[in-house]
This record gives sequence, C-alpha cells and structure tokens, in this order.
Amino acid sequence: ETGVTQSPTHLIKTRGQQVTLRCSSQSGHNTVSWYQQALGQGPQFIFQYYREEENGRGNFPPRFSGLQFPNYSSELNVNALELDDSALYLCASSLGRVDNYGYTFGSGTRLTVV
Amino acid sequence: GEDVEQSLFLSVREGDSSVINCTYTDSSSTYLYWYKQEPGAGLQLLTYIFSNMDMKQDQRLTVLLNKKDKHLSLRIADTQTGDSAIYFCAETFNNAGNMLTFGGGTRLMVKP
Repeated sequence: ETGVTQSPTHLIKTRGQQVTLRCSSQSGHNTVSWYQQALGQGPQFIFQYYREEENGRGNFPPRFSGLQFPNYSSELNVNALELDDSALYLCASSLGRVDNYGYTFGSGTRLTVV
Repeated sequence: GEDVEQSLFLSVREGDSSVINCTYTDSSSTYLYWYKQEPGAGLQLLTYIFSNMDMKQDQRLTVLLNKKDKHLSLRIADTQTGDSAIYFCAETFNNAGNMLTFGGGTRLMVKP
C-alpha cells in the first residue's frame, strides 16, 4: 500500500462537539504529523508522533490531542469544537523524525464547525 | 520566531517561465521545500534543497537559494496549464527538526 489516506474526507460538526480524524500512513513510515490549514492560508503544525509518542507540538491548545497506533495509523482528536477549528486537516507521514526528502501528505479532511 | 513570506498571486502565459519567490527569517533553516496544492487535494512535494546549496535543478524546476538575503525561488520552465495550483515554500530548522513551517502560498494561474 502506498500513499497516505485520511478519513473522512468531509465532516460537519456543531460547536462544542468532539471529532476524531483518522490517518493511515504510507507503508514503512513510522512518523506522522498533523497540520491545520485554514482557508487561504498555509498549513500550521499541530503535532508529530514517532513510535506512538508525541514528538513535538505546535501552538495548539490541549483540546487537540492525538494517538499513533502500532501499525503507524493515527488519530487527531479535537474536543470542545470552536468555529475557528473549521479548516482542512492534513496528515503527513515520513520515515524518521527528520525526513530529508519531505513528508508525504494525505488529501486531508475538511472540517466545518457550525 | 520563524516566518515565511510569499506573494499571493502570479499569472503567466502558457509556455512562459514562472518564478515564485519566498523569503524567510530564520537563518538556522536546514532544508527548504516547495510543495504544490491543487484544488481539493493535499500537498505534493515538488523539490527540496539543503541549506548549504545555492541551486538545484530537476527537469523543468530550478530552485535558487540566497542564504545571505534569506530568499528562495522556484522557477518553472515552459509553464503548462496543469501547473496552475497553489505553491508553498516550507522550511525545517536544526532546533525544531520535526516541523515544517509553511508560507501562505502563491496561487499560480497559467493562461492558455
């Protein structure tokens, strides 16, 4: 299996709810990073997981949390959703924590909070 | 902190060359990348350059890095309509090797 797959592709949630987004890493990649891309902006780093442990975090509140599983798939959980959480959420996998060749990105999950 | 800036928009005619520019502020950058994003899609890595290099060429793509001015550019030769997309430059740092810091993106429009 090649490439990074994310699910669902689109999602609508109500303010205050919780959401879980899923990512299946590219085969052989042991590191996964999550990014938030608001409309018209560049992606912002949320956090990274390496071998099932958080390995770096951007400027996001604790209600953004994640998990990485032994098969290297991962989840992004967001609690107490706010309107500003509406964005495209991108998952990226890499081989190792610093990948000289860049990261392989999925197509993203478009989250709309109403 | 780190900051990456790009111009918002570029329009060229099919067959011309496109030059997309990027400036950054952190001199400890290790790798610099160019990604392409088409509508409704994720990010596709186009090319990258290590910070001790000045230039890298890959088929129609040429990356130029001026470390003194902290300026990175991507030149696309013989631009095609299929090159229409948003282009992001991004960097990683020695002291934050886990994360990519992206610019805001440049929308390239190629007119037939």
